[in-house]
Amino acid sequence: GAGVSQTPSNKVTEKGKYVELRCDPISGHTALYWYRQSLGQGPEFLIYFQGTGAADDSGLPNDRFFAVRPEGSVSTLKIQRTERGDSAVYLCASSFTGTTEAFFGQGTRLTVV
Amino acid sequence: DAKTTQPNSMESNEEEPVHLPCNHSTISGTDYIHWYRQLPSQGPEYVIHGLTSNVNNRMASLAIAEDRKSSTLILHRATLRDAAVYYCILRDQVGGTSYGKLTFGQGTILTVHP
Repeated sequence: GAGVSQTPSNKVTEKGKYVELRCDPISGHTALYWYRQSLGQGPEFLIYFQGTGAADDSGLPNDRFFAVRPEGSVSTLKIQRTERGDSAVYLCASSFTGTTEAFFGQGTRLTVV
Repeated sequence: DAKTTQPNSMESNEEEPVHLPCNHSTISGTDYIHWYRQLPSQGPEYVIHGLTSNVNNRMASLAIAEDRKSSTLILHRATLRDAAVYYCILRDQVGGTSYGKLTFGQGTILTVHP
């Protein structure tokens, strides 16, 4: 595809359920980022991959959040035992390297009811 | 992570230049200055970046202070489509512990009046 693709675009889940959010980066991009954004706030950093490995996961708020990128391309953000406070837009971005411009997807709006 | 400080909001009239300031007094030698903007209901998009010298591209210009403790994003002729939140970000591009990481602050909400 031409850009970063995130699926689903919207997700409504019940409190306590498990969710997976998918990110398809631009082909050939080695760096991949996950952010979450609450209304009126700037994107909050969660995790950053270089290739298959997490270069920096210091933004993951707790052990309910986990992300993988097993083949260095598609990434999945996994949230266990969702809470209402997890409701936000989850953004994914990719860049060719860790120094070039990052391209963002449209985000996944997660609502926990 | 090095921090940036931006005004919460700014206003401009269409067709006029806009100067968006950013303070980054704790910038390190390996930090590049990046600007992204976020239009309503969209993901952020890259605008421009630089290290020491002023930079120009089709979207904007970036003026960097000689001591690198501040910078200014310049939109030469604002249009209604430029109404967005503008983020000034410091990004380590040399190889420090936060190499490649993009950390957003609150940004500046730019309103453009017709």
